[in-house]
Amino acid sequence: QKEVEQDPGPLSVPEGAIVSLNCTYSNSAFQYFMWYRQYSRKGPELLMYTYSSGNKEDGRFTAQVDKSSKYISLFIRDSQPSDSATYLCAVGGSGGYNKLIFGAGTRLAVHP
Amino acid sequence: DGGITQSPKYLFRKEGQNVTLSCEQNLNHDAMYWYRQDPGQGLRLIYYSQIVNDFQKGDIAEGYSVSREKKESFPLTVTSAQKNPTAFYLCASTSGGLGLETQYFGPGTRLLVL
Repeated sequence: QKEVEQDPGPLSVPEGAIVSLNCTYSNSAFQYFMWYRQYSRKGPELLMYTYSSGNKEDGRFTAQVDKSSKYISLFIRDSQPSDSATYLCAVGGSGGYNKLIFGAGTRLAVHP
Repeated sequence: DGGITQSPKYLFRKEGQNVTLSCEQNLNHDAMYWYRQDPGQGLRLIYYSQIVNDFQKGDIAEGYSVSREKKESFPLTVTSAQKNPTAFYLCASTSGGLGLETQYFGPGTRLLVL
């Protein structure tokens, strides 16, 4: 079993739709939860991070963590074509250094 | 502008050849990392370094080597022992400690085998 599972998609939605991206993880020791956005042929950029269960909102983006279910989500409201990218979840904080475990990434396409 | 630079953007390797990927950061970060990205597999950690003159193997270190002689530089060598080197290589850095939120990635180097 992989430490982090993420549906690779692709996910295709119309502009304005609400998008839900999800990951599950296996180790309850993980303490940090992140979402990265990666445009084609570019390096990932940090989008959201949280340290605890609950919701964190930033503009059109909401990150949700449920530690009891080992489930993390990213919601995108009013999706735009510029949101078309691969979204990577990452978990960390279980070791003695800043190691992150990444999901495989979900490819999202938002069409006008 | 502060950030991480990687060069070259594309690199071609012949059979039996060693190649070196460059990673430089001017963020004054202590920790640096190398990841490999393959389609459908996410990012896998090759090597990491928490401080100058020290580095540790990650999950897939075989066929790779690194050095950390300067704080700002963390080059990765893909040796001839790496039989499947074609991938997108990403360098990252973080300020260390509990600063996971400050991890930055470079633009990546795509390595192709001729």
